[in-house]
Amino acid sequence: DGGITQSPKYLFRKEGQNVTLSCEQNLNHDAMYWYRQDPGQGLRLIYYSQIVNDFQKGDIAEGYSVSREKKESFPLTVTSAQKNPTAFYLCASSSRQKTGNTEAFFGQGTRLTVV
Amino acid sequence: AQSVTQLDSHVSVSEGTPVLLRCNYSSSYSPSLFWYVQHPNKGLQLLLKYTSAATLVKGINGFEAEFKKSETSFHLTKPSAHMSDAAEYFCVVSDRDTGTASKLTFGTGTRLQVTL
Repeated sequence: DGGITQSPKYLFRKEGQNVTLSCEQNLNHDAMYWYRQDPGQGLRLIYYSQIVNDFQKGDIAEGYSVSREKKESFPLTVTSAQKNPTAFYLCASSSRQKTGNTEAFFGQGTRLTVV
Repeated sequence: AQSVTQLDSHVSVSEGTPVLLRCNYSSSYSPSLFWYVQHPNKGLQLLLKYTSAATLVKGINGFEAEFKKSETSFHLTKPSAHMSDAAEYFCVVSDRDTGTASKLTFGTGTRLQVTL
């Protein structure tokens, strides 16, 4: 089945540690995205990538880093510089179109908790 | 600039009664509009989308939404609620012709509760 796989589902981090969240897709989509979800705030874009070896900052990129070495993979690292990392993180992908908007397809999310 | 407002943070209905989740948007261009559903600790699933074709859009699980440009609204409805509809619903807007999903703006969500 085609889809987006995020791992792990739950992640605990000690203060001062970096952690990496995995996102893999087999939908052959060019674009991939990372969102952060906090209660009552909807989803906010962290980083996105339109093509391999290229990525752009979203609205809340500070304290995060990404890489896009393969089309299928878009890992997100939450660094120690992120002051409030406890949240639900969602990875998404979409196909590229010449015109019009395309919907995003989402993974099941990773819940990160700082302990 | 684009924005989206979900007018109710929480809606409660009885099983078998109609559902109405309200969404108003603001966009500088002709927008694309989406409704997504999220069950607890899960990802988002697309219910339906409007991209300038028919103004009444039918989605999965019996949901539909009507694009009303004069009212800048895109309310989500369902004639008869089912217990399995209990979830969080997000209205999403995007200016058209970006070719990607990188300019989606999400509403803050409406939690739908369905009671017996």
